[in-house]
Amino acid sequence: DAGVIQSPRHEVTEMGQEVTLRCKPISGHDYLFWYRQTMMRGLELLIYFNNNVPIDDSGMPEDRFSAKMPNASFSTLKIQPSEPRDSAVYFCASSSTGLAGSYEQYFGPGTRLTVT
Amino acid sequence: QKEVEQNSGPLSVPEGAIASLNCTYSDRGSQSFFWYRQYSGKSPELIMFIYSNGDKEDGRFTAQLNKASQYVSLLIRDSQPSDSATYLCAVNAAGSGGSNYKLTFGKGTLLTVNP
Repeated sequence: DAGVIQSPRHEVTEMGQEVTLRCKPISGHDYLFWYRQTMMRGLELLIYFNNNVPIDDSGMPEDRFSAKMPNASFSTLKIQPSEPRDSAVYFCASSSTGLAGSYEQYFGPGTRLTVT
Repeated sequence: QKEVEQNSGPLSVPEGAIASLNCTYSDRGSQSFFWYRQYSGKSPELIMFIYSNGDKEDGRFTAQLNKASQYVSLLIRDSQPSDSATYLCAVNAAGSGGSNYKLTFGKGTLLTVNP
């Protein structure tokens, strides 16, 4: 299995620009998570989906952030307009109902976003 | 506000020693507890989970849970330089009407094992 795939791996953009991060979960997984990691705040859950439906977006910092999951194999996280404080590593993770009760989340390699 | 607290470290131990990593959490309704390991520049990976009070052993790793004290720990026996990483404690919200899948992470403890 290829694991969770994220693109791009690195993104450098200027303040005010739109940024789109992409994620392909592990085939067969029905949960998908978007996290943000910074030194100051640690690893924070932004939003998660179950069967392509957003379940909890309470971690999305503000309206500039939006996420979609049009099908079981693809999700996007969009920031518009981007700000320097959005600079972080963004992880996508996926999981499957009934993983022997472990609820293990498999993380992608992350996208390192720098907003200048 | 649900919180998960960890000592940020760094925790430095000699090779072969026992490393003890600690975590406290604020939500008494939490039911599931996880330890993820994150190497520098890499993504987190699950190494242990525990649901019941007491100890759970897996190879050189032992997770300990005390729900009354809202405390979970991870012991690494015979520490190796390859264990040097940041260890993240995570707690789910299932007991508070939330989902088993919604995790709150601590900021992590950096462990360094010296050869």
